[in-house]
Amino acid sequence: DTAVSQTPKYLVTQMGNDKSIKCEQNLGHDTMYWYKQDSKKFLKIMFSYNNKELIINETVPNRFSPKSPDKAHLNLHINSLELGDSAVYFCASSQGGQGNTIYFGEGSWLTVV
Amino acid sequence: GQQVMQIPQYQHVQEGEDFTTYCNSSTTLSNIQWYKQRPGGHPVFLIQLVKSGEVKKQKRLTFQFGEAKKNSSLHITATQTTDVGTYFCAENDYKLSFGAGTTVTVRA
Repeated sequence: DTAVSQTPKYLVTQMGNDKSIKCEQNLGHDTMYWYKQDSKKFLKIMFSYNNKELIINETVPNRFSPKSPDKAHLNLHINSLELGDSAVYFCASSQGGQGNTIYFGEGSWLTVV
Repeated sequence: GQQVMQIPQYQHVQEGEDFTTYCNSSTTLSNIQWYKQRPGGHPVFLIQLVKSGEVKKQKRLTFQFGEAKKNSSLHITATQTTDVGTYFCAENDYKLSFGAGTTVTVRA
């Protein structure tokens, strides 16, 4: 059983389109995250939710909107996609915050053309 | 969380040799976590260090936290092809603040 699963794994789309990436975790964790990894492999946090509440919102364009319908799900919707949005997006989860192990999903490869 | 600096960015290692990668911060860290990401894969947790001067071993991997809790190192002995990947250090202060990673390639 996959602990943190995200779909789709690959997504190729045109500039200006709107797309969503879904994430689910079956670990019973109360905290979920979205990370973005660019072409240079730099990993940067975008958002974090704890029990469906947004607790971290880094400097991310408001074209990116996370939604957490329950604590096991955290989806990412992106409006008006731009070339610079091309990256790998990782969903992750943990139990609590500071000092706890973070479990990553397998990533969603987004290519904007 | 504080941004941590990792050096070197790339490490090319002959199979069987040892190497060390370093993680440095300008401020005291509450903890340091190490993750490994295989090519095409996702980051996977390796270990967490919390105490000043702490040393932990996992088979051929030795992790150390500096006395001042401002730096950490990962030493791999007798490198194998399975060690290929990018090693990240991060402080977990309610979010992971990753370093840029050390990407390791191995020459057989």
